[in-house]
Amino acid sequence: QKEVEQDPGPLSVPEGAIVSLNCTYSNSAFQYFMWYRQYSRKGPELLMYTYSSGNKEDGRFTAQVDKSSKYISLFIRDSQPSDSATYLCAGGAGGYNKLIFGAGTRLAVHP
Amino acid sequence: EAGVTQFPSHSVIEKGQTVTLRCDPISGHDNLYWYRRVMGKEIKFLLHFVKESKQDESGMPNNRFLAERTGGTYSTLKVQPAELEDSGVYFCASTQTGGSTEAFFGQGTRLTVV
Repeated sequence: QKEVEQDPGPLSVPEGAIVSLNCTYSNSAFQYFMWYRQYSRKGPELLMYTYSSGNKEDGRFTAQVDKSSKYISLFIRDSQPSDSATYLCAGGAGGYNKLIFGAGTRLAVHP
Repeated sequence: EAGVTQFPSHSVIEKGQTVTLRCDPISGHDNLYWYRRVMGKEIKFLLHFVKESKQDESGMPNNRFLAERTGGTYSTLKVQPAELEDSGVYFCASTQTGGSTEAFFGQGTRLTVV
């Protein structure tokens, strides 16, 4: 079983839609969770990270963690064509430990 | 401030040849990580340097891979001899404070072994 499971998509939505991206994880040692955005031929770019269960909001993005069900989500409001990218979730056990990534979900927002 | 820089951006080599990838972390970042993404798979950890010391190399696939970070600045990852399954995108990341939650990634080196 993979430590982080993520549906690879692709996910195609119209501009302005609310996007929901999800991951599940199995490693109970994870202390924090990250969402990265990766454009084609570029490196992962950190969007958000969160340590605890609950919601964290940053502009149009909301990260949600439910540790009891080992479920993490990223919501994108008012999606834009520029949001078209691959979104990666990752978990970490704390400190400077390695990150464990999901496979990434490819998102396409069409005008 | 310059970000994490990787060289080359793309390398095509024949099976059996040697390739060396380079990563220049953000200046002052003591922690440097190598990750790899092979086709259709998730990004996977290879190893972690703290300055010039290998902190965790549990993700290195086999002894054909050699990573160095002399002087605690830039790092190199050598693959010798390269095999077809080594093809993928190799990412480098660095962080100074805040642990892995503030890791900045380079653009990656796309390695193709033919």
